[in-house]
Amino acid sequence: GDSVTQMEGPVTLSEEAFLTINCTYTATGYPSLFWYVQYPGEGLQLLLKATKADDKGSNKGFEATYRKETTSFHLEKGSVQVSDSAVYFCAPKGSGNTPLVFGKGTRLSVIA
Amino acid sequence: EAQVTQNPRYLITVTGKKLTVTCSQNMNHEYMSWYRQDPGLGLRQIYYSMNVEVTDKGDVPEGYKVSRKEKRNFPLILESPSPNQTSLYFCASSSLAIQYFGPGTRLTVT
Repeated sequence: GDSVTQMEGPVTLSEEAFLTINCTYTATGYPSLFWYVQYPGEGLQLLLKATKADDKGSNKGFEATYRKETTSFHLEKGSVQVSDSAVYFCAPKGSGNTPLVFGKGTRLSVIA
Repeated sequence: EAQVTQNPRYLITVTGKKLTVTCSQNMNHEYMSWYRQDPGLGLRQIYYSMNVEVTDKGDVPEGYKVSRKEKRNFPLILESPSPNQTSLYFCASSSLAIQYFGPGTRLTVT
């Protein structure tokens, strides 16, 4: 079945540091790829997505590129802020009625 | 405002006392699902529903029931809760593969 592996946290960075959270996946067919973010005390919300190879999803300064050859969808941000402190989930979705599969989440803490 | 609502947000109960967590969405989505979130285990799907009267098991369905009598509602039922069901629960609905999550229900079973 579909699966996803993302780097374990917690990740602690200083403000304005560069962020990378690695994500690799296996999925049936030609999956769509998603990053969700969970801020403290809230439910998950979509951060960005990509639906085909070489697509780059971006939002709020975060980016991730759909790399089919390496089955990866690494999340990056050039300069993190304290407000980016949250848990980040990588989630591939296979074609058809295949449900989303969530990674275990990576907790990011950004300190001023 | 498009949203998924869950009630209650917090619940402390005792072993064996039946409970229901309600979930409602106002986006006319066909697909709805329930997850539980536990430290170190991430999100695991409990049940999902493709449409009214169509439900199916996710990865961890044991000890849970669901129903989908109306498109907007998808309640999660614990007939006889046990301490290992202490968790944070999320309801979600989706359109075009994008999931919209409720705010979560923190359940403690003593």
